[in-house]
Amino acid sequence: KAGVTQTPRYLIKTRGQQVTLSCSPISGHRSVSWYQQTPGQGLQFLFEYFSETQRNKGNFPGRFSGRQFSNSRSEMNVSTLELGDSALYLCASSSQVQETQYFGPGTRLLVL
Amino acid sequence: GDSVTQMEGPVTLSEEAFLTINCTYTATGYPSLFWYVQYPGEGLQLLLKATKADDKGSNKGFEATYRKETTSFHLEKGSVQVSDSAVYFCALSPLTGGFKTIFGAGTRLFVKA
Repeated sequence: KAGVTQTPRYLIKTRGQQVTLSCSPISGHRSVSWYQQTPGQGLQFLFEYFSETQRNKGNFPGRFSGRQFSNSRSEMNVSTLELGDSALYLCASSSQVQETQYFGPGTRLLVL
Repeated sequence: GDSVTQMEGPVTLSEEAFLTINCTYTATGYPSLFWYVQYPGEGLQLLLKATKADDKGSNKGFEATYRKETTSFHLEKGSVQVSDSAVYFCALSPLTGGFKTIFGAGTRLFVKA
């Protein structure tokens, strides 16, 4: 099976812009979670989607949003970018039964 | 709330040395526990997991035992290799609906030849 894929791998934006990141889960996986990784805050949970519904949400401002499509692919959107949004954004997928999450390689976002 | 605390790094060892990375957690009930590894420039890979008390997870020579009484999940390896150099994350997944993995801060391991 192909692993979790994320696009794009690298992105440079300026403050105030918005960005959309994409994640394709492992075939058959219906749960997709998003995490933000920064040197200062470490790995922080953003949100989880299951069957197109947001099931869990972390403590991030409303500028961070996401959605999941019927094919389980997920997108994450960040509006009005701030310098502090520079991070590695990781997506993980899991099947309904297993607890193990499989991570993609991440999208590295740099906000200038 | 739920949290994970792991020893600060970096940890520097010589090849074939014994490795221990301490991890303790705070959680309601009995969460699943994980160790993930992140190599430079890559995403996270699951190293091992344990889903109930006294379970031992193992993979690639690494081991960790779910200790409910001490709320710990320490990672050990008897003989490290240069290729083990990476960042190691201890994590828990609460027993609630859905996934919300909570990670420790990560411990960077350097192994010298």
